[in-house]
Amino acid sequence: AQKITQTQPGMFVQEKEAVTLDCTYDTSDPSYGLFWYKQPSSGEMIFLIYQGSYDQQNATEGRYSLNFQKARKSANLVISASQLGDSAMYFCAMREMGTGNQFYFGTGTSLTVIP
Amino acid sequence: DAGVTQSPTHLIKTRGQQVTLRCSPKSGHDTVSWYQQALGQGPQFIFQYYEEEERQRGNFPDRFSGHQFPNYSSELNVNALLLGDSALYLCASSLVGGPDEKLFFGSGTQLSVL
Repeated sequence: AQKITQTQPGMFVQEKEAVTLDCTYDTSDPSYGLFWYKQPSSGEMIFLIYQGSYDQQNATEGRYSLNFQKARKSANLVISASQLGDSAMYFCAMREMGTGNQFYFGTGTSLTVIP
Repeated sequence: DAGVTQSPTHLIKTRGQQVTLRCSPKSGHDTVSWYQQALGQGPQFIFQYYEEEERQRGNFPDRFSGHQFPNYSSELNVNALLLGDSALYLCASSLVGGPDEKLFFGSGTQLSVL
């Protein structure tokens, strides 16, 4: 089974609007971390936001917030006030504390911001 | 503050050849991980090095090997290249810690095997 599932291959959003990128995960480890990364065409993966499995509050980092629904095993990324520079691939990832140090990544969502 | 640097940026090899990719971690980081990203896919974990030892390995054959030097920089070696090894190879560094240990990535080496 896939550890991370991103079901939206591509998304479009109007500049200044908000957009939600979906991510579901699969784990039986009670301790895990969820991450979102942005990958522009340059190739570098840029860290955006982190949510721990024991965190009670949803994580926020500037215009990024993570909608964490533990029972549903979902960790959706919300980008508010989209900017043209937000156009990129977005990857959801998970690290399970019980199985070591590797990150499991989804297949990504391509976001295009329309002026 | 220098981030993660990788070299070379692009590489073209033929089947059966061997290749070495290099990575310098972000200043202050002691752990280096390597990931393979095939076209249209998310990164796949190859292995991680800490204190000059391979700490964990993903589901990759022994043709993939690595090394970490005392200054924390790292190399990824791939022997007997196959067409399927064509991918973007990403190096990531981190500071060993708890569940919120973030990976900081370089821009990658694009390897093409002909």
